[in-house]
Amino acid sequence: KAGVTQTPRYLIKTRGQQVTLSCSPISGHRSVSWYQQTPGQGLQFLFEYFSETQRNKGNFPGRFSGRQFSNSRSEMNVSTLELGDSALYLCASSSGQGAVGELFFGEGSRLTVL
Amino acid sequence: AQRVTQPEKLLSVFKGAPVELKCNYSYSGSPELFWYVQYSRQRLQLLLRHISRESIKGFTADLNKGETSFHLKKPFAQEEDSAMYYCALSVERVGQKLVFGQGTRLTINP
Repeated sequence: KAGVTQTPRYLIKTRGQQVTLSCSPISGHRSVSWYQQTPGQGLQFLFEYFSETQRNKGNFPGRFSGRQFSNSRSEMNVSTLELGDSALYLCASSSGQGAVGELFFGEGSRLTVL
Repeated sequence: AQRVTQPEKLLSVFKGAPVELKCNYSYSGSPELFWYVQYSRQRLQLLLRHISRESIKGFTADLNKGETSFHLKKPFAQEEDSAMYYCALSVERVGQKLVFGQGTRLTINP
């Protein structure tokens, strides 16, 4: 099975712009979660989608949003970028049923905000 | 508050020596805990979960509710164990929402 695929792998934006990141889960997986990883805060949960519905949400401002499509692919969007949004954004998929905590991670999208 | 604490950012041991990576958690419910590992140039991956009570790559972890700990142990370290290790806590009964510790970078010296 192909692993979790994230695009783009690297991107550079300027303050005030917006960005969209994409995640294709492992085939058959219906749950997609997003995490932000920074040196200072570590791995922080953003949100989880299951069957096109947001099932869990972290403590991030409304500038961070996401969605999931019928084929389970997911996108996350960050609007009005700030310098502090520079981070590695990780996507993880799981079957979504049982197996709590068993996440399969992608390689991440590294966002730099200038 | 839901929190996972890994007190050691860096841990260095010699090959063949025992390894213990510490993890403490704060959670009011019934905890489900995990260890994730990231080897150099690889993705973050699940190493083991407390509910399975299994040994993976020689590593074991026991949940101690009294001490709110979930330390990862291996009796004899190998060079290929060098990696970043994260302890994680599941905080929702439905769905996937993990709280991660800050991680411990383990280096095994030859």
